[in-house]
Formats: sequence, structure tokens, C-alpha cells
Amino acid sequence: QVQLVQSGVEVKKPGASAQVSCKASGYTFTSYYMNWVRQAPGQGLEWMGVINPNSANTRYAQKFQGRVTMTRDTSTRTVYMELSSLRSEDTAVYYCATQSFDFWGQGTLVTVSS
Amino acid sequence: EIVLTQSPATLSLSPGERATLPCRASQSVSSSLAWFQQKPGQAPSLLIYDVSTRAPGIPARFNGSGSGTDFTLTISSLEPEDFAVYYCQQRVNRPPVITFGQGTRLEIK
Repeated sequence: QVQLVQSGVEVKKPGASAQVSCKASGYTFTSYYMNWVRQAPGQGLEWMGVINPNSANTRYAQKFQGRVTMTRDTSTRTVYMELSSLRSEDTAVYYCATQSFDFWGQGTLVTVSS
Repeated sequence: EIVLTQSPATLSLSPGERATLPCRASQSVSSSLAWFQQKPGQAPSLLIYDVSTRAPGIPARFNGSGSGTDFTLTISSLEPEDFAVYYCQQRVNRPPVITFGQGTRLEIK
């Protein structure tokens, strides 16, 4: 069965970077894009971007251009999302989700606080 | 960028009632309109894709409809487990741009 397992809680100071990983299993890793979505406390869902695990090509939401980097490691079937220059407004749960959003990771809380 | 508006933000209904959740787009969208359900402390889950196709395992009481700028998620007879937050989502493929509505909270009256 398809599973997406994300890395654990991150606590960062303003200005730092955070990296979240998402390890996939149960399907052909390179066949489906992977999306990243975040959700601030008590707020809605916000799409951040998508990576093609086969080519490593990415497409980022305009809001995150220049601050987000999505990468993948095909040997470990893992995708990564790094967000830099963190500010308090980046405190959120970050999710990975498969191409059609039919499978989601469990979410990773990133807290930005001085 | 296409904006999706979900109103009301909160809908109060009783089990057994019919729920109608609207989603309006700022401009005409393709058929790539989906609906998600999110329960507290959980990741969202896909209910409906391509406007009206139920995802695997989704009960028949969930139905999606609409076209152009106006879309609706209908739950024919509410079960206790249906009280949650619902989000609509649209997807443009080339280049990929995805937006979500702000959500409608369905609460027990």
C-alpha cells in the first residue's frame, strides 16, 4: 500500500532554514509527481510546489519562489522540501502529497520562534 | 491566479440532514476541481476529483457537481463522521498551479 512517511518536528529560529523529508513506498517512486502543501495553525491549505521525482524538475508557487527548494533522492525514494529565511509566519504543518493528492504524509510541524 | 471562494465559512447542520457546500472560482476553471475532507489532527483526504468522480472508498452520499465557476459538494444524509472541514481545490496543469479554497467547517447543530 502507498505510504508517505515524513520527518519529525522542527523548531527553528527566524532566518534559519528547515528541511522536511518525505519517504515514499508502495508504488513506483519515479512515476508520480510529489506536491508540498502547508497549513498554518487554524488556517487553510496552501500549495507550495511540486517535484517530478524522475527528472527532478520543480515548479514552485509564486509566493515561495526564491525561498523553497524541492529535491529528491531516488536511491532512498525520498523527496525533500527546504524553506529558507524562515519567519514566524512560516510556522505550519507541512505535508507531502502524491500527484493527484490521493495520498498524504502525516505532516511535519515546523515552528519558527526566537 | 484563480481564487476559490467557499462560503459560508461554517455550516451548522444535524445528522441526517443534507449538506450543500459551494465553491466559486474567480474565473472559469477546467474540470480539474477536487474536494477534500480534513478532520482535526489529520491530513486532508481526497473525496472527489474531476468535479464529480468519487475517490476509491468514498461513500455514495458524497457527490460533486458544477461547471465553469460554480461547483458544489453535496452530502445527501449527514453521518456523525462527516462533521469536518471541507476544501475545494483547482488545478491548472501547464504550468502546474494549484489553489485551495479557504474551507467550510461543517459542524453539528
